Amino acid sequence: DAKTTQPNSMESNEEEPVHLPCNHSTISGTDYIHWYRQLPSQGPEYVIHGLTSNVNNRMASLAIAEDRKSSTLILHRATLRDAAVYYCIHLSGTYKYIFGTGTRLKVLA
Amino acid sequence: SQTIHQWPATLVQPVGSPLSLECTVEGTSNPNLYWYRQAAGRGLQLLFYSVGIGQISSEVPQNLSASRPQDRQFILSSKKLLLSDSGFYLCAWSVKDNQPQHFGDGTRLSIL
Repeated sequence: DAKTTQPNSMESNEEEPVHLPCNHSTISGTDYIHWYRQLPSQGPEYVIHGLTSNVNNRMASLAIAEDRKSSTLILHRATLRDAAVYYCIHLSGTYKYIFGTGTRLKVLA
Repeated sequence: SQTIHQWPATLVQPVGSPLSLECTVEGTSNPNLYWYRQAAGRGLQLLFYSVGIGQISSEVPQNLSASRPQDRQFILSSKKLLLSDSGFYLCAWSVKDNQPQHFGDGTRLSIL
């Protein structure tokens, strides 16, 4: 099964950038890397996804290592509303998300 | 735009009682549909997956079942609930394989 490794928790100060790392050493050449975040008592929210190139959207940036065995989700300016559990996932097969325990991000005012 | 609805938001059921959770998607046709369960403090576990009406793939053997009677309706059921069925149940949809999944707000199920 596709497995990712993330730190259990991270802290950031408000208004500062946050870099959330993820290792996915078992990724295959056609697996996309997806990031989600989950607030308490809510369903996960899609953040960003990519295959090989770095990706940017209104929520975040995704930096993918050249060997694709790791990636980093970048929040350019953390706000209190960014406090959540962040999940990094790559697809095993075509639909089977394997969710780990994610990284709990704490944003300090 | 597409929306996903799950109900109820919370549910308390006695052991041995039946279960029916419903999920509907609006604004898209022939979506992939998914049921997940999340235990407290854990990641999500995929339970069922459907690519079309009447087509259900089960990922984890258990006393739950799923049905897709209509294109945008996905139902999670059980004939007799166990204590271990407690958890946060989430429905999701995607356009097709390998595309981002979009989740509902979930149902928190407590078994007494």
